[in-house]
Amino acid sequence: KAGVTQTPRYLIKTRGQQVTLSCSPISGHRSVSWYQQTPGQGLQFLFEYFSETQRNKGNFPGRFSGRQFSNSRSEMNVSTLELGDSALYLCASSPQLGGAETQYFGPGTRLLVL
Amino acid sequence: AQTVTQSQPEMSVQEAETVTLSCTYDTSESDYYLFWYKQPPSRQMILVIRQEAYKQQNATENRFSVNFQKAAKSFSLKISDSQLGDAAMYFCAYRRDSNYQLIWGAGTKLIIKP
Repeated sequence: KAGVTQTPRYLIKTRGQQVTLSCSPISGHRSVSWYQQTPGQGLQFLFEYFSETQRNKGNFPGRFSGRQFSNSRSEMNVSTLELGDSALYLCASSPQLGGAETQYFGPGTRLLVL
Repeated sequence: AQTVTQSQPEMSVQEAETVTLSCTYDTSESDYYLFWYKQPPSRQMILVIRQEAYKQQNATENRFSVNFQKAAKSFSLKISDSQLGDAAMYFCAYRRDSNYQLIWGAGTKLIIKP
Protein backbone atom coordinates (compact mmCIF):
# COMPACT_ATOMS: atom_id res chain seq x y z
CA LYS A 1 0.00 0.00 0.00
CA ALA A 2 1.13 3.52 -0.67
CA GLY A 3 1.96 5.53 2.42
CA VAL A 4 0.56 8.82 3.60
CA THR A 5 1.22 11.56 1.08
CA GLN A 6 1.32 15.26 1.70
CA THR A 7 1.36 18.07 -0.82
CA PRO A 8 3.08 20.33 -1.35
CA ARG A 9 6.31 19.29 0.33
CA TYR A 10 7.65 22.83 0.55
CA LEU A 11 5.91 26.16 0.54
CA ILE A 12 6.96 29.78 0.91
CA LYS A 13 4.38 32.40 1.73
CA THR A 14 4.37 35.96 3.01
CA ARG A 15 2.67 37.31 6.10
CA GLY A 16 -1.03 37.89 5.69
CA GLN A 17 -1.48 35.28 2.99
CA GLN A 18 -3.38 32.06 3.44
CA VAL A 19 -2.28 28.51 2.68
CA THR A 20 -3.90 25.14 2.13
CA LEU A 21 -2.07 21.89 2.78
CA SER A 22 -3.28 18.50 1.63
CA CYS A 23 -2.99 15.02 3.10
CA SER A 24 -3.96 11.74 1.47
CA PRO A 25 -4.13 8.89 4.00
CA ILE A 26 -3.22 5.29 3.43
CA SER A 27 -5.93 3.54 1.44
CA GLY A 28 -8.66 2.34 3.79
CA HIS A 29 -7.69 4.65 6.62
CA ARG A 30 -10.50 6.86 7.84
CA SER A 31 -8.81 8.88 10.57
CA VAL A 32 -6.48 11.78 9.85
CA SER A 33 -4.63 13.91 12.39
CA TRP A 34 -2.51 17.01 11.89
CA TYR A 35 0.50 18.17 13.91
CA GLN A 36 2.68 21.25 13.84
CA GLN A 37 6.40 20.88 14.52
CA THR A 38 8.57 23.88 15.37
CA PRO A 39 11.99 24.12 17.02
CA GLY A 40 10.56 26.21 19.85
CA GLN A 41 7.27 24.47 20.62
CA GLY A 42 8.07 20.97 19.46
CA LEU A 43 5.24 18.79 18.20
CA GLN A 44 1.75 20.02 18.85
CA PHE A 45 -1.59 18.50 17.95
CA LEU A 46 -3.76 20.57 15.63
CA PHE A 47 -6.86 18.52 14.91
CA GLU A 48 -8.21 15.09 14.19
CA TYR A 49 -10.81 14.01 11.64
CA PHE A 50 -12.79 10.84 11.26
CA SER A 51 -15.50 10.22 8.68
CA GLU A 52 -15.52 13.87 7.61
CA THR A 53 -16.08 15.11 11.18
CA GLN A 54 -13.62 16.95 13.38
CA ARG A 55 -13.37 14.83 16.53
CA ASN A 56 -10.73 16.69 18.46
CA LYS A 57 -8.96 20.04 18.26
CA GLY A 58 -5.76 21.31 19.79
CA ASN A 59 -5.10 24.70 21.28
CA PHE A 60 -4.61 26.75 18.13
CA PRO A 61 -6.27 29.99 17.04
CA GLY A 62 -9.22 29.98 14.68
CA ARG A 63 -6.91 30.88 11.79
CA PHE A 64 -6.14 27.17 11.66
CA SER A 65 -8.92 25.09 10.17
CA GLY A 66 -9.33 21.83 8.41
CA ARG A 67 -11.72 19.48 6.75
CA GLN A 68 -11.97 15.91 5.56
CA PHE A 69 -13.57 14.70 2.39
CA SER A 70 -15.62 11.58 1.74
CA ASN A 71 -12.54 9.80 0.36
CA SER A 72 -10.76 10.53 3.70
CA ARG A 73 -8.37 13.03 2.16
CA SER A 74 -7.88 15.99 4.42
CA GLU A 75 -6.89 19.61 4.01
CA MET A 76 -5.79 22.15 6.54
CA ASN A 77 -5.95 25.86 5.98
CA VAL A 78 -4.11 28.65 7.71
CA SER A 79 -5.39 32.15 7.08
CA THR A 80 -3.63 35.45 7.73
CA LEU A 81 -0.24 33.81 8.03
CA GLU A 82 2.16 34.96 10.74
CA LEU A 83 5.91 34.46 10.93
CA GLY A 84 5.35 32.04 13.80
CA ASP A 85 3.38 29.72 11.54
CA SER A 86 6.63 28.66 9.87
CA ALA A 87 6.83 24.99 10.70
CA LEU A 88 6.77 21.43 9.50
CA TYR A 89 3.17 20.28 9.28
CA LEU A 90 2.73 16.55 9.69
CA CYS A 91 -0.29 14.49 8.82
CA ALA A 92 -0.95 11.02 10.20
CA SER A 93 -3.56 8.45 9.27
CA SER A 94 -5.05 5.42 10.95
CA PRO A 95 -7.76 2.89 10.12
CA GLN A 96 -10.07 3.75 13.00
CA LEU A 97 -10.53 6.33 15.70
CA GLY A 98 -8.80 5.65 18.98
CA GLY A 99 -8.26 2.18 20.36
CA ALA A 100 -5.24 0.10 19.58
CA GLU A 101 -4.56 1.47 16.13
CA THR A 102 -1.24 3.08 15.28
CA GLN A 103 -0.88 6.30 13.35
CA TYR A 104 1.31 6.43 10.25
CA PHE A 105 2.88 9.70 9.31
CA GLY A 106 3.44 11.43 6.01
CA PRO A 107 6.68 13.19 5.06
CA GLY A 108 5.33 16.59 6.07
CA THR A 109 4.92 19.97 4.44
CA ARG A 110 7.53 22.54 5.34
CA LEU A 111 5.99 26.01 5.40
CA LEU A 112 8.13 29.12 5.50
CA VAL A 113 6.42 32.44 6.15
CA LEU A 114 8.40 35.54 5.20
CA ALA B 1 -3.38 17.39 31.63
CA GLN B 2 -1.08 14.75 30.33
CA THR B 3 2.58 15.59 29.84
CA VAL B 4 5.58 13.76 28.44
CA THR B 5 9.14 14.53 29.49
CA GLN B 6 12.36 13.50 27.79
CA SER B 7 15.20 14.74 29.96
CA GLN B 8 18.04 13.93 27.56
CA PRO B 9 18.28 16.49 24.73
CA GLU B 10 21.15 14.55 23.17
CA MET B 11 22.76 11.15 23.57
CA SER B 12 25.70 9.58 21.80
CA VAL B 13 26.75 5.97 21.55
CA GLN B 14 29.46 3.99 19.86
CA GLU B 15 28.34 1.86 16.95
CA ALA B 16 27.39 -1.68 18.05
CA GLU B 17 26.88 -0.63 21.66
CA THR B 18 23.66 -0.27 23.63
CA VAL B 19 21.94 2.99 24.54
CA THR B 20 18.88 3.79 26.62
CA LEU B 21 16.67 6.82 26.07
CA SER B 22 14.51 8.01 28.94
CA CYS B 23 10.90 9.12 28.99
CA THR B 24 8.52 9.90 31.81
CA TYR B 25 4.90 10.89 31.56
CA ASP B 26 2.11 12.11 33.72
CA THR B 27 -1.49 10.98 33.44
CA SER B 28 -4.46 10.08 35.56
CA GLU B 29 -5.80 7.70 32.92
CA SER B 30 -5.56 3.94 33.33
CA ASP B 31 -5.86 2.99 29.66
CA TYR B 32 -3.43 4.57 27.27
CA TYR B 33 -0.70 3.89 24.75
CA LEU B 34 2.92 4.88 24.65
CA PHE B 35 5.07 5.17 21.57
CA TRP B 36 8.59 5.80 20.48
CA TYR B 37 8.91 7.48 17.10
CA LYS B 38 12.08 8.11 15.16
CA GLN B 39 12.57 11.15 12.97
CA PRO B 40 15.69 10.96 10.76
CA PRO B 41 17.01 14.00 8.87
CA SER B 42 14.51 13.25 6.10
CA ARG B 43 11.87 14.38 8.66
CA GLN B 44 9.58 11.37 8.12
CA MET B 45 8.22 10.26 11.48
CA ILE B 46 8.60 6.49 11.80
CA LEU B 47 7.10 4.31 14.50
CA VAL B 48 9.77 2.39 16.40
CA ILE B 49 7.76 0.62 19.07
CA ARG B 50 4.50 0.87 20.99
CA GLN B 51 3.27 -0.27 24.38
CA GLU B 52 -0.26 -0.73 25.61
CA ALA B 53 -0.61 0.34 29.24
CA TYR B 54 -2.69 -2.70 30.14
CA LYS B 55 0.10 -5.06 29.09
CA GLN B 56 2.67 -5.84 31.74
CA GLN B 57 5.07 -7.39 29.27
CA ASN B 58 7.56 -4.98 27.78
CA ALA B 59 7.33 -4.54 24.02
CA THR B 60 10.22 -5.67 21.82
CA GLU B 61 10.92 -5.08 18.14
CA ASN B 62 14.18 -6.65 17.00
CA ARG B 63 16.98 -4.46 18.45
CA PHE B 64 14.52 -2.12 20.14
CA SER B 65 12.91 -2.82 23.49
CA VAL B 66 11.21 -0.80 26.17
CA ASN B 67 11.24 -0.78 29.94
CA PHE B 68 7.69 0.15 30.89
CA GLN B 69 7.18 0.97 34.55
CA LYS B 70 3.51 1.92 34.89
CA ALA B 71 3.58 2.84 38.57
CA ALA B 72 6.62 5.04 38.06
CA LYS B 73 5.19 6.39 34.78
CA SER B 74 8.42 5.64 33.02
CA PHE B 75 8.89 4.38 29.47
CA SER B 76 12.50 4.05 28.36
CA LEU B 77 13.77 2.81 25.00
CA LYS B 78 16.77 0.51 24.74
CA ILE B 79 18.56 0.20 21.42
CA SER B 80 20.93 -2.74 21.21
CA ASP B 81 23.75 -3.15 18.70
CA SER B 82 23.42 0.49 17.59
CA GLN B 83 23.79 1.10 13.89
CA LEU B 84 24.63 4.24 11.94
CA GLY B 85 21.10 4.24 10.55
CA ASP B 86 19.72 4.65 14.07
CA ALA B 87 20.95 8.25 14.17
CA ALA B 88 17.85 10.44 14.44
CA MET B 89 15.63 12.38 16.78
CA TYR B 90 13.65 10.06 18.99
CA PHE B 91 10.31 11.17 20.35
CA CYS B 92 8.33 9.60 23.12
CA ALA B 93 4.58 10.05 22.79
CA TYR B 94 1.46 9.33 24.83
CA ARG B 95 -2.07 8.76 23.62
CA ARG B 96 -5.30 8.20 25.43
CA ASP B 97 -7.42 5.23 24.46
CA SER B 98 -10.30 7.31 23.14
CA ASN B 99 -8.68 9.45 20.46
CA TYR B 100 -5.59 9.96 18.35
CA GLN B 101 -4.18 13.06 19.97
CA LEU B 102 -0.53 12.28 20.54
CA ILE B 103 1.21 14.21 23.30
CA TRP B 104 4.89 14.44 22.59
CA GLY B 105 8.10 14.77 24.49
CA ALA B 106 10.69 17.30 23.37
CA GLY B 107 12.82 14.63 21.73
CA THR B 108 16.30 13.17 22.16
CA LYS B 109 18.88 13.52 19.43
CA LEU B 110 20.77 10.25 19.10
CA ILE B 111 24.26 10.37 17.63
CA ILE B 112 25.99 7.17 16.56
CA LYS B 113 29.80 7.28 16.56
CA PRO B 114 31.43 5.01 13.99
